[in-house]
Amino acid sequence: EAGVVQSPRYKIIEKKQPVAFWCNPISGHNTLYWYRQNLGQGPELLIRYENEEAVDDSQLPKDRFSAERLKGVDSTLKIQPAELGDSAVYLCASSLAGTNYNEQFFGPGTRLTVL
Amino acid sequence: QKEVEQDPGPLSVPEGAIVSLNCTYSNSAFQYFMWYRQYSRKGPELLMYTYSSGNKEDGRFTAQVDKSSKYISLFIRDSQPSDSATYLCAMKYDSWGKLQFGAGTQVVVTP
Repeated sequence: EAGVVQSPRYKIIEKKQPVAFWCNPISGHNTLYWYRQNLGQGPELLIRYENEEAVDDSQLPKDRFSAERLKGVDSTLKIQPAELGDSAVYLCASSLAGTNYNEQFFGPGTRLTVL
Repeated sequence: QKEVEQDPGPLSVPEGAIVSLNCTYSNSAFQYFMWYRQYSRKGPELLMYTYSSGNKEDGRFTAQVDKSSKYISLFIRDSQPSDSATYLCAMKYDSWGKLQFGAGTQVVVTP
């Protein structure tokens, strides 16, 4: 079974430029998460989707970040404009509804460097 | 103060030794406790999961939860160089709650 797929794996941009990350969750997983992991820190949740609906986006900086999950499968996270402090690894995870502890499966992440 | 505290290490041990990792937390409402392993340039993968208090063993790994002390531990027996990674503790209030991660402890097992 294929895991969570993310692209690109690495991205280097200059500040004020836009950037987008793509995630394809495990087939059949209806819940999708975007996390940000700063260097030397644990992941922090940005947004959670249940199918197409964003059910928890309280940690998403809405002035510059946006996300969408069309058709309840793939998802895109966008930053516009990027700032130096956005340099981090952006992780996507997915889980299957109905499991007793809702195990989250993580993708390899996109490492963003903002110059 | 962060809800979940974890010593960042690095923790260096010789091959075959027992690795002892721990986290403390401040919110007594946490009910689900996890340990993730993260290799360099990879995403976290779930190692152990415990609901409420108690111990859980899986092969060389043992997870312990002491809710009275707000303290969780992970032990790795007979450590191998392939165990070299960052170990993240994580916890949440309920099955569908937000995962709160510790900062991760870097473990290095030397041959």
